[in-house]
Amino acid sequence: DAKTTQPPSMDCAEGRAANLPCNHSTISGNEYVYWYRQIHSQGPQYIIHGLKNNETNEMASLIITEDRKSSTLILPHATLRDTAVYYCIVRVGNAGNMLTFGGGTRLMVKP
Amino acid sequence: SQTIHQWPATLVQPVGSPLSLECTVEGTSNPNLYWYRQAAGRGLQLLFYSVGIGQISSEVPQNLSASRPQDRQFILSSKKLLLSDSGFYLCAWRLQGANSPLHFGNGTRLTVT
Repeated sequence: DAKTTQPPSMDCAEGRAANLPCNHSTISGNEYVYWYRQIHSQGPQYIIHGLKNNETNEMASLIITEDRKSSTLILPHATLRDTAVYYCIVRVGNAGNMLTFGGGTRLMVKP
Repeated sequence: SQTIHQWPATLVQPVGSPLSLECTVEGTSNPNLYWYRQAAGRGLQLLFYSVGIGQISSEVPQNLSASRPQDRQFILSSKKLLLSDSGFYLCAWRLQGANSPLHFGNGTRLTVT
């Protein structure tokens, strides 16, 4: 499995876009990029995933570089409730097991 | 729609006592099921996963075991708890054969005293 690297922490002003980077330089052609977030003392919540094309849903946008070696999760208008730890993982889509989650990025949204 | 139930929410157990945590999924059939553990302030560690009834794969050797007696039921057990078994235990499911994401339960916070 490809390893991911994320900054340990980031701050964002409420109402502004939060851009969370993830490096996955060893990603292989059939591995998807998944993003989850975990609010304190809760189970992780799925946000979005993609293979090579940019993706958007009601929660966020996922921008994957053309070489697929990095990606950015964008929360377009961050709110205080978006304060959480954000995990980026890569995994073959239909694999039985799932990659262990790393340390993630602790996003603090400030008023 | 699919839902996942995990209980209990919190548990305090003495060292050497047995453990049984249960997880059930509703609204889908033949899901992949997972048990994760999270130590305080750390990432999630995959403990066990299952692709079908009676099929259990262990990712990390430990004092724990898992069983899947029914299609949508996943149980995490221990015969004798250790202090190091304390943590936040999370159950998750996903559809088989697709790039579907994991969906997590609300977790059980276990404290071994």
